[in-house]
This record gives sequence, C-alpha cells and structure tokens, in this order.
Amino acid sequence: EAQVTQNPRYLITVTGKKLTVTCSQNMNHEYMSWYRQDPGLGLRQIYYSMNVEVTDKGDVPEGYKVSRKEKRNFPLILESPSPNQTSLYFCASSLGPGTIIDFGPGTRLTVL
Amino acid sequence: SQQGEEDPQALSIQEGENATMNCSYKTSINNLQWYRQNSGRGLVHLILIRSNEREKHSGRLRVTLDTSKKSSSLLITASRAADTASYFCATDGYGQNFVFGPGTRLSVLP
Repeated sequence: EAQVTQNPRYLITVTGKKLTVTCSQNMNHEYMSWYRQDPGLGLRQIYYSMNVEVTDKGDVPEGYKVSRKEKRNFPLILESPSPNQTSLYFCASSLGPGTIIDFGPGTRLTVL
Repeated sequence: SQQGEEDPQALSIQEGENATMNCSYKTSINNLQWYRQNSGRGLVHLILIRSNEREKHSGRLRVTLDTSKKSSSLLITASRAADTASYFCATDGYGQNFVFGPGTRLSVLP
C-alpha cells in the first residue's frame, strides 16, 4: 500500500531531551516536508526537501533539524525540545511542487 | 508566509444543505488544492485545480478558481454528517512549495 508512515504516533517527553520523529514513504517521491499544526494557526511548514541531500527551511524551522540521506526517509530531529514545540506534526511527500501531497497520520508530541 | 486564507473559519449547517467555503491568496499561483482533515488525523487530498482552469467537479464537490480575484471556492452539495471535518486550501507559486491556510471547520448536523 502506498503510504507515508511516521513514528512514533504519540510522544510525551521532557524539556531538553533529544528526540527524532521518523518519516518514510514508499512512493518514490522526490519531495518531502514536515508541518506542525497548532489550533488556530493551521499547518505551518517546518522544513522541506526537494531531493536527497537537499533541504530548505520552511516558515518555522527554529528548533528543528532534518536530514535526507535516502529518498524514502526524512526524519525530524528536535535537539533540545521545549514546551512551545508541543504540537501535532505531519510528514508529507509528493512527486514535486504542484502535485498532490500525501500526508502521514501525524505525531502528537507533548513536551513537558 | 501564509498564502491561502480560508473563509469562514467555522461553518455549521444541517444535513442535506450545501456548504461553501472560500480561499483567498496573495500571489500568483501555479495551482491550488483542497484538502480535508478529520479531527486530529492526516490530510486527505480532494481536488487540484490548475491556474488555467476555472471549475472542477468531483462527486459532490465543486471547486472554482478566479485568478483575477485570487480566490477559490469549495462547494459541497447535499452535505452529510460524514463531511464534518476541517477543509484547507493549499497554494503554490511558480517554483515554490505548497503553503496551507488555517482552514475552515465544517460541522454538518444530523
């Protein structure tokens, strides 16, 4: 089944404890991105990647890191999480800009 | 750099009625897409409309695009309780990635 998977789906952590949210797609998509969703703010893009080893900042990149070593994987790294990073995170992929975006199921992160 | 803005923010209708939500954007686009999100879940693609198209249909969905007014509308006809969700428009400029609006929360009451 063609899909975007994220793990974990739920995570509660404490301030400063490094964490990684994994994202993988099996559709051979070039383009991958991370969004966070907060009430009243909609989806805001954190980082995106047009291809392997190519990443760019979105609208809210502060406090996050990403890497794209393989085409199928695009992990999101929080080196030192803070409570304001408590949010619902979505990974997404597509063939490229202007094409249909496939979303993962979301990761609900709580930073205490 | 929020591009699309949906209107209204929230909409409540009775089952069987039509629901219309609008999206306005600021800069020229290559295409515009509409997505649906059931509470807390991932977004699901509904329709993509290109800048040279004016109207598209998919089942009970009708999307229009007016590039002169930089706006789009999504019409859901004969709404059902299962249509209760948030609806987002996403726009991309030429060579840019997609930007989502804050969404319209639709409640369809039985």
